[in-house]
Amino acid sequence: AQSVTQLDSQVPVFEEAPVELRCNYSSSVSVYLFWYVQYPNQGLQLLLKYLSGSTLVESINGFEAEFNKSQTSFHLRKPSVHISDTAEYFCAVSGFGNEKLTFGTGTRLTIIP
Amino acid sequence: DAGVTQSPTHLIKTRGQQVTLRCSPKSGHDTVSWYQQALGQGPQFIFQYYEEEERQRGNFPDRFSGHQFPNYSSELNVNALLLGDSALYLCASSLYRERADTQYFGPGTRLTVL
Repeated sequence: AQSVTQLDSQVPVFEEAPVELRCNYSSSVSVYLFWYVQYPNQGLQLLLKYLSGSTLVESINGFEAEFNKSQTSFHLRKPSVHISDTAEYFCAVSGFGNEKLTFGTGTRLTIIP
Repeated sequence: DAGVTQSPTHLIKTRGQQVTLRCSPKSGHDTVSWYQQALGQGPQFIFQYYEEEERQRGNFPDRFSGHQFPNYSSELNVNALLLGDSALYLCASSLYRERADTQYFGPGTRLTVL
């Protein structure tokens, strides 16, 4: 079984400042890791994913996350945030050969102008 | 290329009633998963359908059942509704042979049980 912990329920950040959203996972097997974003009143959109290979993964809109196996973490970072980044961010994990996604409770990112 | 679609968008029911939610997967996808997202929580896996069979199931009671049709679309049925069933129900589709492939989510159906 897997579990995901997102340590911060809310993160307020000034516009153009850097941000880090934390995610830790627990699993007895090897995992795939995901970050999804949910804009108000919408479904989930994949932001980025780690399957294998390079531990640093990037999205097309400037976010990046680094898989750290020893610390069982997959923190999400962005060097400079914009108002449009305001959303709920969910970290998720799935086991190899098992598509079921296990989500964290989410982090609400609020950008302060 | 149509993405995942769900209907209806919103639904209001009373305790004890039954409800059916519908999902059409993204074009080319053959697997449908359903998730329940309570207010302020992350989505919780309900079950997954492939080849018209339930392949995996999360920790949900038998009141939650589903079906997948030959065209890969799917229904989620909930019987004997409880107040605690109020949530956003999300459908996600993927390609079974690409086991680690991205799951594409629909906009969800907001169910309110009074």
